[in-house]
Amino acid sequence: GDSVTQTEGQVALSEEDFLTIHCNYSASGYPALFWYVQYPGEGPQFLFRASRDKEKGSSRGFEATYDKGTTSFHLRKASVQESDSAVYYCALGELPGTGSNRLTFGKGTKFSLIP
Amino acid sequence: GGIITQTPKFLIGQEGQKLTLKCQQNFNHDTMYWYRQDSGKGLRLIYYSITENDLQKGDLSEGYDASREKKSSFSLTVTSAQKNEMAVFLCASSADSYEQYFGPGTRLTVL
Repeated sequence: GDSVTQTEGQVALSEEDFLTIHCNYSASGYPALFWYVQYPGEGPQFLFRASRDKEKGSSRGFEATYDKGTTSFHLRKASVQESDSAVYYCALGELPGTGSNRLTFGKGTKFSLIP
Repeated sequence: GGIITQTPKFLIGQEGQKLTLKCQQNFNHDTMYWYRQDSGKGLRLIYYSITENDLQKGDLSEGYDASREKKSSFSLTVTSAQKNEMAVFLCASSADSYEQYFGPGTRLTVL
């Protein structure tokens, strides 16, 4: 079945450092790719998506580019702030109208700022 | 905008007990989902429903039942709570698969 593998566990950086969270996927079809963010005490919320090869998604200073060749969708941010501390989930899903409304999520990566 | 409400926020049960979690949404979305969130395991889909009275099993449906009697509500039942079980159950809804809106979760503890 479909699966998502992302940077395991936790990432800790200093303010204004560059953040990368790796995401690789395995799917039989041509999936849409997503990033969700979850702040403490809240449910996950949609960050952005990309639906085709080479498409870039972005929001709130974060970005990721769909790479079908390397089956990747790595999350990047140039200068992290305290407010970025959260758990980030990579996910894949079929395009609307293809019959399935399911998303497959990775295990999540917790980002925190080094004080 | 809309909101997803989950009740209760905290649920404490005994081993073997049947426990029911409720979810309401006012987005008028067709599809609703139940996920289980365990530390280090991410979000795992338990059940989803694409319309009223529809139920589809996810990857983790064993040990759970679900019910979608109205478009706006989706309930989940733990059929027999397992001792020392601790997890957060998240409800979500969507108009399509692109963006799912999540509730704040119900935190389950089984004594």
